[in-house]
Parts: sequence; C-alpha cells; structure tokens
Amino acid sequence: SQELEQSPQSLIVQEGKNLTINCTSSKTLYGLYWYKQKYGEGLIFLMMLQKGGEEKSHEKITAKLDEKKQQSSLHITASQPSHAGIYLCGALLNAGNNRKLIWGLGTSLAVNP
Amino acid sequence: KAGVTQTPRYLIKTRGQQVTLSCSPISGHRSVSWYQQTPGQGLQFLFEYFSETQRNKGNFPGRFSGRQFSNSRSEMNVSTLELGDSALYLCASNLGGTGFIGANVLTFGAGSRLTVL
Repeated sequence: SQELEQSPQSLIVQEGKNLTINCTSSKTLYGLYWYKQKYGEGLIFLMMLQKGGEEKSHEKITAKLDEKKQQSSLHITASQPSHAGIYLCGALLNAGNNRKLIWGLGTSLAVNP
Repeated sequence: KAGVTQTPRYLIKTRGQQVTLSCSPISGHRSVSWYQQTPGQGLQFLFEYFSETQRNKGNFPGRFSGRQFSNSRSEMNVSTLELGDSALYLCASNLGGTGFIGANVLTFGAGSRLTVL
C-alpha cells in the first residue's frame, strides 16, 4: 500500500465550485509539499508546510497540515479551468541524512466551464 | 534565472536499446534527483546526486544508472530497454541541504517522455 494516500484519485467539478484534496500518512511527517502538474509536464511547486496546524494560502488555494502532522488538505475556492491538472503531495520523513521523500499518486482535477 | 532543463523531451526506442537522458539544474543547485513517473505507479524515486556522488538510490534494477558532473549537470542511462520502461522521466534539482525543509523543495524539469516499442 502507498505510504502516502491521496484522495480522491480524480475529481470533476463545475467552474466556480470549491473542492478539497486530501493527503494522509500513517507516519508523522517532517514536512509536506504540494505540487501541481500539467498533463505530461513537470511539477510546479505550490506550497510547503512544516508545523502542526499550519495553514498557507496563495490566491485561491489553501493548504493545511493537521496538528498531528499526518494529514494535509488542499482546498481550492471558486475553481477555474486554469486549476485543472494533477495535484501531488510529497512528504518529507525525517531530516538530515535519514530523510526520505515520498509521494502520493496524485489527484487529477478537471474543471468544466 | 533559467529553470531545470531536460533533453530530449521525447524519444522512441526499441527493446534492447539503451538511452541517455540529460538534465541541467538551476544554477547554484548542487543536488539532482531523478524520478520515473507512470500512470499506475506514480512518481518513483530513481536516485539523487550531490556533488558528483550518488547520495540516495531507489529500488530500480542496475540497468538504471546515473552520474553527475562537476558543473552539477546530470545524466541518467537505461540499458537493455524493456517495454515497462516507457514513462515520463523527471529530473529535479534543489540546494541539497539535508535539514531545513526549504532546502528540500524540488524544482522539476519538464521531463523526458520515453516510449519503448
């Protein structure tokens, strides 16, 4: 099973609707990254979270890390066609030389105009 | 500043051949990581190079190899290609720090799409 579970696997929403993507780990995370990927292209960095309870926003996207540092959510408000793509979460387990970066399988988002 | 550059963007090979992919990191970034991305397996870590030394390695067979040059540019090679090697190969660079979470933020290239026939 995946060390980092993302849900839902895919999502189709109407333009203007809000949506939430979740990223869950069974282990306590040292840090959490959110990326967006256009189909067949590289990943674009969105945000990183490190502290339990931390919340960051950029334009209409808000990411949160829970207090236990095992779950993160990405919320998009008033979605637009430009938000379409694949959203991936990456988690940093430990720091220093024992650090390990793991990835969710991604959430494919389509926004219908 | 220029982003991470990967070449070639697309290539088609046949089984048994070998392929070399190239990656130029962001200026000042000393760490280069390689990933294989497929629809079913997602993003799979291949290896990481830092200052010309392999620092971490994923669970891929020995047919997958890489190297890093003194200017931080990196190449990866896949020998004896198999159909299952068809994938998007992504290169990412960062500062290479092991502690501060910000130093681990990866900047990705656009990828090299490999098709094995």
